[in-house]
Amino acid sequence: QKEVEQDPGPLSVPEGAIVSLNCTYSNSAFQYFMWYRQYSRKGPELLMYTYSSGNKEDGRFTAQVDKSSKYISLFIRDSQPSDSATYLCAMKASGTYKYIFGTGTRLKVLA
Amino acid sequence: DAGVTQSPTHLIKTRGQQVTLRCSPKSGHDTVSWYQQALGQGPQFIFQYYEEEERQRGNFPDRFSGHQFPNYSSELNVNALLLGDSALYLCASSPLLQDDTDTQYFGPGTRLTVL
Repeated sequence: QKEVEQDPGPLSVPEGAIVSLNCTYSNSAFQYFMWYRQYSRKGPELLMYTYSSGNKEDGRFTAQVDKSSKYISLFIRDSQPSDSATYLCAMKASGTYKYIFGTGTRLKVLA
Repeated sequence: DAGVTQSPTHLIKTRGQQVTLRCSPKSGHDTVSWYQQALGQGPQFIFQYYEEEERQRGNFPDRFSGHQFPNYSSELNVNALLLGDSALYLCASSPLLQDDTDTQYFGPGTRLTVL
């Protein structure tokens, strides 16, 4: 079993839809969570960073962490064709510098 | 504000050769991490450098080595290249915050092809 599981997609949605992207994990020690957006053949771009549990909002993006369920989510409101990319979750425990990434979910927003 | 830069952009090598990849961190950042990203996969942690020392290493063989310079830039060296080393190599830099709390900002990557 992988430490971090992420549905690879592709996930296709119409423009303007609310998108929900998710990751599950098995290591209860994970405390630091990040979401990245990666366009084809480019480096990942940091979208959201969350410590421990709770919600965090930044513009059209909302990140949620549910440590009791070992489940994190990224919501994108009013999705745009420019949001079409692969979304990666990453997480790590305290006392380590190594982030564990999911395989990424490929999102397509249709105009 | 310059972000993380990496060179070269693309590289083609043959099996058994050696390669050196370079990274300059974001301004104000002093920690550099290297990741390998195979096609269709998430990045895999190779190692992290801080104060010119390797601070943590992932599950990669000794063929992968690195260096950090006093100006915080870093190199990744891979010896005895294998076909399986073909991947996008990503450098990420982090600001030093309290404890081990950090975010990571990635560069554009170097795409290595081993023939």
